[in-house]
Amino acid sequence: EVQLQQSGAELGKPGTSVKLSCKVSGYNIRNTYMHWVNQRPGKGLEWIGRIDPANGNTIYAEKFKSKATLTADTSSNTAYMQLSQLKSDDTAIYFCAIGSWDLAYWGQGTLVTVSS
Amino acid sequence: DIVMTQGALPNPVPSGESASITCQSSKSLLHSNGKTYLNWYLQRPGQSPQLLIYWMSTRASGVSDRFSGSGSGTDFTLKISSVEAEDVGVYYCQQFLEYPLTFGSGTKLEIK
Repeated sequence: EVQLQQSGAELGKPGTSVKLSCKVSGYNIRNTYMHWVNQRPGKGLEWIGRIDPANGNTIYAEKFKSKATLTADTSSNTAYMQLSQLKSDDTAIYFCAIGSWDLAYWGQGTLVTVSS
Repeated sequence: DIVMTQGALPNPVPSGESASITCQSSKSLLHSNGKTYLNWYLQRPGQSPQLLIYWMSTRASGVSDRFSGSGSGTDFTLKISSVEAEDVGVYYCQQFLEYPLTFGSGTKLEIK
């Protein structure tokens, strides 16, 4: 069974950074892409970017190019997303998901709250 | 970026009736390989999204055959036959033809 286990909720102050993790079991992340998607309170889904864990290649949505940094550790089958220079607008649930032409498996989401 | 536009449902939908959700893309999602890169997801209240349909009309593993996807290169429909209480949630279409991946704004389904 494929499972994506995300790290726990984060409370970050404006201007700081947080690093989220997504550990995959039941599937080798070298064989797929790892995507990150956010969902602001009461809003829809927004794609942030994806990483190819096999070679570290990344693609980001334009608005997240200076906000998010995606990395992956194939030895632990885990992907990471660092969010920098946090603002109140970054308050959202962040999901990781895997797939090459769809987002077939999703993590449970990590709530990031930005507040002073 | 490819814009995805979803239609609304005349909520609530009576249990046992069928429901059709429309989605339109600003660019054809038909790839040169013959596949149409349009996916459908359901996000139940308080849960992560789950994949229902990929390549416009292929049901994901374990998805009920009450769900079916159809369409052309730019106009798509997700049909739910005989809606049930467990179908409640928000449905999203998404294009996977090119980056950045984009989602529709979501269509909420309520059951009567």
